[in-house]
Parts: sequence; structure tokens; C-alpha cells
Amino acid sequence: EAGVTQSPRYAVLQEGQAVSFWCDPISGHDTLYWYQQPRDQGPQLLVYFRDEAVIDNSQLPSDRFSAVRPKGTNSTLKIQSAKQGDTATYLCASSFDRDQDTQYFGPGTRLLVL
Amino acid sequence: QQKVQQSPESLIVPEGAMTSLNCTFSDSASQYFAWYRQHSGKAPKALMSIFSNGEKEEGRFTIHLNKASLHFSLHIRDSQPSDSALYLCAVIPGYQNFYFGKGTSLTVIP
Repeated sequence: EAGVTQSPRYAVLQEGQAVSFWCDPISGHDTLYWYQQPRDQGPQLLVYFRDEAVIDNSQLPSDRFSAVRPKGTNSTLKIQSAKQGDTATYLCASSFDRDQDTQYFGPGTRLLVL
Repeated sequence: QQKVQQSPESLIVPEGAMTSLNCTFSDSASQYFAWYRQHSGKAPKALMSIFSNGEKEEGRFTIHLNKASLHFSLHIRDSQPSDSALYLCAVIPGYQNFYFGKGTSLTVIP
């Protein structure tokens, strides 16, 4: 079974530039999560979807971050105007409604904002 | 909002030692409790989970849960250098939203 895939794996930006991250969850998983993981810290939830609906985006900085999952499968997270404080690894994870205690993570995108 | 705290922040143990990692949480209504392991530069991967008070053992790993004291822990018997990683505890209220701790960095020295 293919795991969660993410692209790109790495991104380096100047402040003010935009960037998009793409995630393809495990087939059949209805729930998709985006996390921000600063270096040497645990993942911090940004947003999660069940199918195409946003369930919780309360931790997403809405002025610069946006996330969509239009068909309930793949998802895109976009940073409109990156800041140095956005430097982190962005992790995507997916889970299945009947398996509520397990998430499957992708390899992440490591973002460096100069 | 759920608060999840891990201790210690980092730990160095010799090969063969017993390692104990701790996690406290704030919402006693939480339903699932899990440990994830993240090797350097890799994705977090689920280790074990528990939903009722008590103990669960899988190989060298044991998880303890005490909901009344808002505490759960992971114990690693006969720690190996390959166990060196960031260990993340997760508290799941029951509707698929996960709250992760900041992690404990474990180094096992040969």
C-alpha cells in the first residue's frame, strides 16, 4: 500500500515569496491533516479536513496561509508571503474514520525562509 | 484547549537500560492516547496506543495510562541505539483531532 506522499521535499525562499505544498493521502483515508513542526519540537496542527470539508483551521494564520482539499483526496497548503518564522517542516498526515487512534504521516516538506 | 506536556525534554541512556518517558494532559474526557517515534529527518510513525486505564505491552515497549492522574507513559526495556529518536505523545479526544506534545529526544549510547 502506498503511503502519504508530499512534494516538494525541500523549499528555500526569500521573505515575502509564496510557496505551495502538495499532499496525496493514503487511498481511502477520509481525514487529512497539515502540521507545522519547528526544529526539535512536536507537530503543531494547522488545519484538518474530513473529505473536502475543513473541520478545524483555528491554528492556521489565515492572513498568509490557506489550505484546500477540493475533491476530498489531494490537498494543497499555501503560504502567501513567507516569513522567517515560517521556517519548519510541514507534515501531512491522513487517517481513516474507523481507525481513530492512528495517523499516517508523509515525509514532510522542509522549508527554509531566508 | 487540550494541553499536552512531555518530560523529560531529552534523555541519554546506555544500551540495555530501561527508558521511561512521561506525558501529562489536561482533558480527562480524552479517549485515545498514543506514542509516536520520529527518527531524525523522517516522518513520525505510530508506536502504540491505548484507550483504557492500565497497561499494554508490545515487545520491548509498554504503555501505562492513568486517566485520573492525567498521565501516561512509555517504557522501553533493553534500550537499543536504534531506539534513538524523538518520541511524541499524542492525546486524541475521540473525533480524530490529535494533540501532540513537544517531544522527548532519546539517545541510546552503545
